[in-house]
Amino acid sequence: DVKVTQSSRYLVKRTGEKVFLECVQDMDHENMFWYRQDPGLGLRLIYFSYDVKMKEKGDIPEGYSVSREKKERFSLILESASTNQTSMYLCASSLSGTYGYTFGSGTRLTVV
Amino acid sequence: SQQGEEDPQALSIQEGENATMNCSYKTSINNLQWYRQNSGRGLVHLILIRSNEREKHSGRLRVTLDTSKKSSSLLITASRAADTASYFCATDETSGSRLTFGEGTQLTVNP
Repeated sequence: DVKVTQSSRYLVKRTGEKVFLECVQDMDHENMFWYRQDPGLGLRLIYFSYDVKMKEKGDIPEGYSVSREKKERFSLILESASTNQTSMYLCASSLSGTYGYTFGSGTRLTVV
Repeated sequence: SQQGEEDPQALSIQEGENATMNCSYKTSINNLQWYRQNSGRGLVHLILIRSNEREKHSGRLRVTLDTSKKSSSLLITASRAADTASYFCATDETSGSRLTFGEGTQLTVNP
């Protein structure tokens, strides 16, 4: 069963900490995405990647960075966590824009 | 930026009834997709309809697309309590390179 795996379902971090959210897909997909989901704001794209070592900014990249050293892994990094980064983070992958996305189960991050 | 807007925001029906959700968008698209999200989980891809298609079926799901009105609808027939979830439309814009999601419709199916 093909899947996208996010390393943690729930995470609690302190303000100022550096936070790593990991995402791994086993479908050999070229494209990977990080979204955050907040009530009333829907899904907002943070960063995406179409190939190893490449990255593109989404709609809300401030305060985040990403790393894609291997095709199957796309990491989201919060350089210095802040309370306004408390959210549900969703990773997704796709073969191309003409195919649907496969999402991970999400990581609910709380920054205290 | 939000491309798709779902309507209604919330819908409550009885088991066995049909549920219809609508989505409007603003720009030209390559395709439109519908996703489902159970509470606190990731999204699951349901169906994709291309810009040159008008209607598509998958099991109890029927999707229509009207590119002249920039709108789509998702019909779930003979709904079940297990269909309770949030449903999102997402557009693959011709000018862009990734999906843009709406804010979703919360569907509650009462047993």
